[in-house]
Amino acid sequence: AQKITQTQPGMFVQEKEAVTLDCTYDTSDPSYGLFWYKQPSSGEMIFLIYQGSYDQQNATEGRYSLNFQKARKSANLVISASQLGDSAMYFCAMREGLMTGNQFYFGTGTSLTVIP
Amino acid sequence: DGGITQSPKYLFRKEGQNVTLSCEQNLNHDAMYWYRQDPGQGLRLIYYSQIVNDFQKGDIAEGYSVSREKKESFPLTVTSAQKNPTAFYLCASSFTISDTQYFGPGTRLTVL
Repeated sequence: AQKITQTQPGMFVQEKEAVTLDCTYDTSDPSYGLFWYKQPSSGEMIFLIYQGSYDQQNATEGRYSLNFQKARKSANLVISASQLGDSAMYFCAMREGLMTGNQFYFGTGTSLTVIP
Repeated sequence: DGGITQSPKYLFRKEGQNVTLSCEQNLNHDAMYWYRQDPGQGLRLIYYSQIVNDFQKGDIAEGYSVSREKKESFPLTVTSAQKNPTAFYLCASSFTISDTQYFGPGTRLTVL
């Protein structure tokens, strides 16, 4: 089974609107971390937001928030008030805990295009 | 400025040649990583190092080698044994292996 699944290869959003990028994960480790990265056309992976498996509240970083639903094993990224500069690839990632050797997994990514 | 640097940005290699990609960080991170990214795909782990003088194979280590003689540096050598080396290579580092990874700008390798 895939450790990280991103089912949306491409998404479009109108400028200033909110958009949700989906991510589901699979792990039996009780301790894990979930990450979102942005990759613009330049190629660099930019860290956006982190959610720990024991965190009670959803993580937020500026216009980014992570909708963490532990029972459903989902960690969707919500971008509010989209800007043209948000057009990029977005990758969901998971780090498993000590029980499974701190392995790090990336999804296949979602391409987001913001329309003016 | 603290960060991760990779050089060169673009690299061209003839078949049969070894080539070394540089990765340097001044973030005082113990752990460093090398990933490969092919067009339209996610990242695949080549090698990682938790501490100086120690490194472990990732999912696709065949045809690659690394060294970790200094905390700041984690060079990757793409050997002639790597059958399809054309790809985008990303280096990352983190305080420890449990922490958030931060990435360099990447090196695009093309085999001619």
